[in-house]
Amino acid sequence: AQTVTQSQPEMSVQEAETVTLSCTYDTSESNYYLFWYKQPPSRQMILVIRQEAYKQQNATENRFSVNFQKAAKSFSLKISDSQLGDTAMYFCAFMNYNNAGNMLTFGGGTRLMVKP
Amino acid sequence: DTGVSQDPRHKITKRGQNVTFRCDPISEHNRLYWYRQTLGQGPEFLTYFQNEAQLEKSRLLSDRFSAERPKGSFSTLEIQRTEQGDSAMYLCASSSFGGNEKLFFGSGTQLSVL
Repeated sequence: AQTVTQSQPEMSVQEAETVTLSCTYDTSESNYYLFWYKQPPSRQMILVIRQEAYKQQNATENRFSVNFQKAAKSFSLKISDSQLGDTAMYFCAFMNYNNAGNMLTFGGGTRLMVKP
Repeated sequence: DTGVSQDPRHKITKRGQNVTFRCDPISEHNRLYWYRQTLGQGPEFLTYFQNEAQLEKSRLLSDRFSAERPKGSFSTLEIQRTEQGDSAMYLCASSSFGGNEKLFFGSGTQLSVL
């Protein structure tokens, strides 16, 4: 079974600054996907970024980028130029490539507060 | 693309009552998922459908929980004889087969059992 751990329950950052959220996972699989989801107060889970484990290149989406360290089983999210609208819960999630059901295993989340 | 829709947004019920939640996925998505999220935790997988077939249901929390997707479109999640421990947010998500494993979530149904 896979486990996902987010060791930072809460973080804060000043507007326009950069913040990094940590995530580690445990799996015996070699092919998998990793995701970061954002959950604002509206409660809807929004996909931020996705990484395939077989790709060495770190994924980027505008101000969001990841640092994927497969050997260390680490998958951190960097948010650059933080904006007030980035305030939300952030969840790291794992999906086994061979999982026919696309089942996501989530971490416990990190609450991010962006301060003006 | 109108997104994943869930109804109701909030449900308050008394212990022992039955409740049913509805999810309308994105129209072209053939996969539909139910997750449960308790306060301060990440979502927990419950079950999923591909079209009308329920392909995984071993993660449903007890036999009081059941889900249907009769015509491969909308889905319902029913909880019978609710207990206070069932209080949580129930999230629905959908995806397309071969859709780069991207799940699109609804805003959830918040259940409170008194």
